[in-house]
Amino acid sequence: DAKTTQPPSMDCAEGRAANLPCNHSTISGNEYVYWYRQIHSQGPQYIIHGLKNNETNEMASLIITEDRKSSTLILPHATLRDTAVYYCIVRGHYGGSQGNLIFGKGTKLSVKP
Amino acid sequence: EPEVTQTPSHQVTQMGQEVILRCVPISNHLYFYWYRQILGQKVEFLVSFYNNEISEKSEIFDDQFSVERPDGSNFTLKIRSTKLEDSAMYFCASRRQGASTDTQYFGPGTRLTVL
Repeated sequence: DAKTTQPPSMDCAEGRAANLPCNHSTISGNEYVYWYRQIHSQGPQYIIHGLKNNETNEMASLIITEDRKSSTLILPHATLRDTAVYYCIVRGHYGGSQGNLIFGKGTKLSVKP
Repeated sequence: EPEVTQTPSHQVTQMGQEVILRCVPISNHLYFYWYRQILGQKVEFLVSFYNNEISEKSEIFDDQFSVERPDGSNFTLKIRSTKLEDSAMYFCASRRQGASTDTQYFGPGTRLTVL
């Protein structure tokens, strides 16, 4: 699975959009970009994933560059409850019975009032 | 919305004692995982389990660890003889069989403290 690079920390004002970048320059054609977050030692929470098209769900939007070497997770209206560590994980399709996720250090997002 | 549950939320044990951490995965899920997170460090994969056998394990998952699905609902992690360095949050996760991009859903974790 390709390696990812994320800034260690970011701040965002409450109510504003939080844009969290992730570089994955060695991503291969069949690898997906997943985003999880972890709120204060709770279990990681799935947010969104994508392959090449931009994706949106009720939690966030995922913008993947055309060359797929980087992506941005967008929380459109950040709230204090969005303060968490955000993990960008690149992995291939599961295939068979494998499927462990490899977590990096992530980006610690602090949403401030 | 169905969720993964874990018990106990906090376990305190003496070094050398055996502990069993319990997880109830989401009911129609067939792939099960254990991860751990030492305080202040990254979430680390321990083991994956499918069709009643281990499908993948990390270097951390040595002979002191074992996993079991004793009935149709529980998935357990046993540490035979705990060490101080086993103190960590332990997370269970599950995913359903099927789509290649199926998401893993995590439980709230068990905090293990070894004294």
